[in-house]
Amino acid sequence: AQSVTQLGSHVSVSEGALVLLRCNYSSSVPPYLFWYVQYPNQGLQLLLKYTSAATLVKGINGFEAEFKKSETSFHLTKPSAHMSDAAEYFCAVQAQTSGSRLTFGEGTQLTVNP
Amino acid sequence: EPEVTQTPSHQVTQMGQEVILRCVPISNHLYFYWYRQILGQKVEFLVSFYNNEISEKSEIFDDQFSVERPDGSNFTLKIRSTKLEDSAMYFCASSEAGGGRSPLHFGNGTRLTVT
Repeated sequence: AQSVTQLGSHVSVSEGALVLLRCNYSSSVPPYLFWYVQYPNQGLQLLLKYTSAATLVKGINGFEAEFKKSETSFHLTKPSAHMSDAAEYFCAVQAQTSGSRLTFGEGTQLTVNP
Repeated sequence: EPEVTQTPSHQVTQMGQEVILRCVPISNHLYFYWYRQILGQKVEFLVSFYNNEISEKSEIFDDQFSVERPDGSNFTLKIRSTKLEDSAMYFCASSEAGGGRSPLHFGNGTRLTVT
């Protein structure tokens, strides 16, 4: 079974500051890992995914995440926050078997202050 | 870019009534999913569907739930007799392949309110 823990249900940063959203996973088999973003009244949009190739994964909108097996982490970062980054961010894990479910974390609400 | 579309965006129903939530997955996708998010809680997996049958379901997906692909484009979730605790946002998703090889594309969701 796999699970995901997102540390911090709310993160607030100033515009232009570093964004760091934390995600730790637990999985009995090598996982796939994902970050999704949800803007108000919209669905879940894929930001980036890790599928056992490069450990540093670049996604859309300037986000990236690094897979660290020793720390069982997949933290999401962006060097400089923009007002439009304000949204809820979900980390998710999936076992590498066909059709297997995505297990989501509880989400982190990112607020960007001017 | 192709999208997953869900209708209606908001559904209000009385306890005990049947509801059908509708989804049109991306046309060349083969795997279909339903997830739900109760207000203030995490997104939870309900069911995955491939080759006209359920490939995996969660403990939430009991006999009150069913899924169907009635034609070549629609994918539906039926709740036979709704309960108050079924109130949630229901997300449909689709992917080209299973097992993480291709990402899930989500619709904007249907907000189900059971009164």
